[in-house]
Formats: sequence, C-alpha cells, structure tokens
Amino acid sequence: GQNIDQPTEMTATEGAIVQINCTYQTSGFNGLFWYQQHAGEAPTFLSYNVLDGLEEKGRFSSFLSRSKGYSYLLLKELQMKDSASYLCAVRDNDYKLSFGAGTTVTVRA
Amino acid sequence: IAGITQAPTSQILAAGRRMTLRCTQDMRHNAMYWYRQDLGLGLRLIHYSNTAGTTGKGEVPDGYSVSRANTDDFPLTLASAVPSQTSVYFCASSDSAGSGANVLTFGAGSRLTVL
Repeated sequence: GQNIDQPTEMTATEGAIVQINCTYQTSGFNGLFWYQQHAGEAPTFLSYNVLDGLEEKGRFSSFLSRSKGYSYLLLKELQMKDSASYLCAVRDNDYKLSFGAGTTVTVRA
Repeated sequence: IAGITQAPTSQILAAGRRMTLRCTQDMRHNAMYWYRQDLGLGLRLIHYSNTAGTTGKGEVPDGYSVSRANTDDFPLTLASAVPSQTSVYFCASSDSAGSGANVLTFGAGSRLTVL
C-alpha cells in the first residue's frame, strides 16, 4: 500500500511563494502527481514527476527525490485564485493512483 | 463539451436502499475509476476498470459494485446503503492504465448522504 503525508493547511500572502511538501512510503512507485482542487469542484491535474528533479510549468514547479520518498509543489507569485486544496498522489506498479489527504492553501491579500 | 458526466449531482438516501451512481465519458478513455472523498482522508479508490469488460477492486471496495459493459459507462452501485457511505463520489478516467503521464480527468462529483 501507500502512505502519503502532506501538511493539512498553509497560509500565505498574495504575491508570495509557498512550498507544499509531500512524503511517501510505497510498495511500488511509478510516478508522482499533483492535483489542484477548488472547494466544491473536481480535482484538476497540475504536474507529473517520474524522474528525480524539478519540473517547471509557469508559476508552478514540482520536485521529486525518489531515494528520499519526497516531493514538493512550489507555487510562485501567489494569486487569490490559488486558494485551493493541493493533492499529492503516487502511482504504484499496477498503475493505480493513491492520494494524500490534501493541503488547503489560503492566500490572503 | 468533452469530459465526464456524473449523475445525480446530489442525493439523500435512506439506509438499506439500493443506489446507482452513473458515470459517462465521451473521451474514449480506456481506464475508469471510482473514488470517494471524505474530510481528512482524501480520495480513496473504490473500484477501477482498465478496459471495457474488466474491473478490479481498489482500497475500499466493500459495499460497492461496478460494471463496465462498454467504454463510455462505469456505474457504481451501493446494494444496501449504510450511513458510513455518506461521501462525495468522484468518477475519473484516463487514456490507459499503462505507463506515461496518464492524467486522470475527474467528473464533477456526486454528493451522497445516507440517513
């Protein structure tokens, strides 16, 4: 099975940077995903890492270290619309996705 | 608009009743999934289907059944609902269950309350 840990809540100021950490212990690993979920809505895909290193996509970046079982999602130049839950998810060798409980980010003016 | 349609959006159900949540996708994705989302627990996989005609059990399958008669439809049935099945249910699909990014596309969710 998968054990995926991420902080429950984070608060940051508009224009700032926030880093959401995710640690995982898995019986198999075949990729790590980050999804964004606004309140009352469906999750939407943000990023995917399968090799170690940093993947950058506009204001969002995601980092993976497979040896440490660690990933982070970096949100830069925060905007009010970035207030949402951010879900870390690990895919196992059977290609099934397991999710962490999510980190709720609140952006304040 | 291409995507996943779930129905109903919301339902209140008496314990012991049978309920089927419907899920239809028009993206011709091979793989489909049912998750439930509960506060503090995140999304948990109930059942999945890698291709039409096949299904598999996820992390929390008890009390639920699925079928995959064709590519587009993946209904989830609660044979005899219990209050612990009160949750938000998300259907999702991906192009295939194999390697590569295989991003999940989620439906809007079905909020089920069992009294």
